[in-house]
Amino acid sequence: EVQLVESGGGLVQPGGSLRLSCAASGFTFSSYWMHWVRQAPGKGLVWVSRINSDGSSTYYADSVKGRFTISRDNANNTLYLQMNSLRADDTAVYYCARDRGFRGYFDYWGQGTLFTVSS
Amino acid sequence: EIVMTQSPATLSVSPGKRATLSCRASQSVSSNLAWYQQKPGQAPRLLIYGASTRATGIPARFSGSGSGTEFTLTISSLQSEDFAVYYCQEYNNWPRLTFGGGTKVEIK
Repeated sequence: EVQLVESGGGLVQPGGSLRLSCAASGFTFSSYWMHWVRQAPGKGLVWVSRINSDGSSTYYADSVKGRFTISRDNANNTLYLQMNSLRADDTAVYYCARDRGFRGYFDYWGQGTLFTVSS
Repeated sequence: EIVMTQSPATLSVSPGKRATLSCRASQSVSSNLAWYQQKPGQAPRLLIYGASTRATGIPARFSGSGSGTEFTLTISSLQSEDFAVYYCQEYNNWPRLTFGGGTKVEIK
C-alpha cells in the first residue's frame, strides 16, 4: 500500500525557517517525481514545487522561488521541503504528492502537515 | 500564466440527481486536465486524468469530458459520499501546475 506521511509542521515566527519531511512507503520511491502542494486555511490547492526522480531537477512556484528548497533522499525514501524567510501567507497545510507518471498530476497524497507563521 | 476557473463555486444537488461541474482554462491545455475530490479534513483524491480517464477505483458515475479550454466533470447520480469539494488541475503548462478554485457540491 502506498503511503505518504508528512511531518514537521508547527508554529514559526515570520522570517523563520522550517523543514518539512514526507516519508514514503509501499512503492519504489526513487522511480517517481514528487511534489509539494499547499492549502491555506479555507482556501484552494496551490502547487508549490516538484522534484524529479533522482533529485537533479527542481521547479518552484513563483511565490516560493528563492525561499523554499525541495530535496529528496532516495536511500531513505524521504522527501523534504526546506522553507526559509517564512511569511504569514505561507501558513497552510502542506501535502506531499506522488506524480503519477512524469506528467504533473497526483495519484497519491499524504495526509498533510499544518504550519502557521505568526508572531 | 494559465488561469483555471471553476463554476459554480457551490452546487446544491439532491441525492440521486446529476451534478455537472465546469472548469475553464484561460488558454488551451489540450487534454492535460485532472479532477480531484476533497472531503473535509482529508487529502485530495484523484478522480480523472487526461480529461476523461477515471483513476483506479473511481466509480463509473464519475465522468470527465472536454478538451482545449472547456471541461466538465459529471457525477451521474450523487451518493452521500460524493458531497465534497472538487478541483480541476491543468498539467499542460509544464513545469508549472495550476488548480482551479474548486466547486463545493452540497446537499440540497
